[in-house]
Amino acid sequence: DSGVTQTPKHLITATGQRVTLRCSPRSGDLSVYWYQQSLDQGLQFLIHYYNGEERAKGNILERFSAQQFPDLHSELNLSSLELGDSALYFCASSVGLAGEYSYEQYFGPGTRLTVT
Amino acid sequence: EDQVTQSPEALRLQEGESSSLNCSYTVSGLRGLFWYRQDPGKGPEFLFTLYSAGEEKEKERLKATLTKKESFLHITAPKPEDSATYLCAVQMDSSYKLIFGSGTRLLVRP
Repeated sequence: DSGVTQTPKHLITATGQRVTLRCSPRSGDLSVYWYQQSLDQGLQFLIHYYNGEERAKGNILERFSAQQFPDLHSELNLSSLELGDSALYFCASSVGLAGEYSYEQYFGPGTRLTVT
Repeated sequence: EDQVTQSPEALRLQEGESSSLNCSYTVSGLRGLFWYRQDPGKGPEFLFTLYSAGEEKEKERLKATLTKKESFLHITAPKPEDSATYLCAVQMDSSYKLIFGSGTRLLVRP
């Protein structure tokens, strides 16, 4: 158990809908990362938040957005869903940024999103 | 372009048959290289971080090494429970995101 929690575990929805995925980082971790894993693309970085602020964006679609709240949990919002958005979505957390002693990212169990 | 390539894509071993997985990378300014294990439908499980060429880390039957262009994950006398996909990722010193390779699917037969 990495200490990172994600809900829900599974999500089945229809095209055009909007969903919210939730992540709670390990206790004490200030950084949260979101990744998407699909069969043809592998694990792809989406976005990074540190202590409530957005730090970096990857190949995240404009239909996707995220935020990190004061209690450090994070939510990934996916809207106008398409069939191609079906994937595993992982959240990871790490202690912090430059100057911290560790850069390892610890991954949650993921949310499997199926768009029908 | 920053790239991480893992080989082989799949590897079948007999229990006790040692082997190595390869991860080669072309990135500018490497901060660290990470190895993860992933079981089907689960999140990646952190194994090792390597920061500089020549560094080695060990954990049970696994040993990771790093050179300036590649990393190896050596598996000594594997057991069936070592069957999983092993992922390599790099982190550049200009960013905190991880860039993953496509993984090596390892199957260890009893």
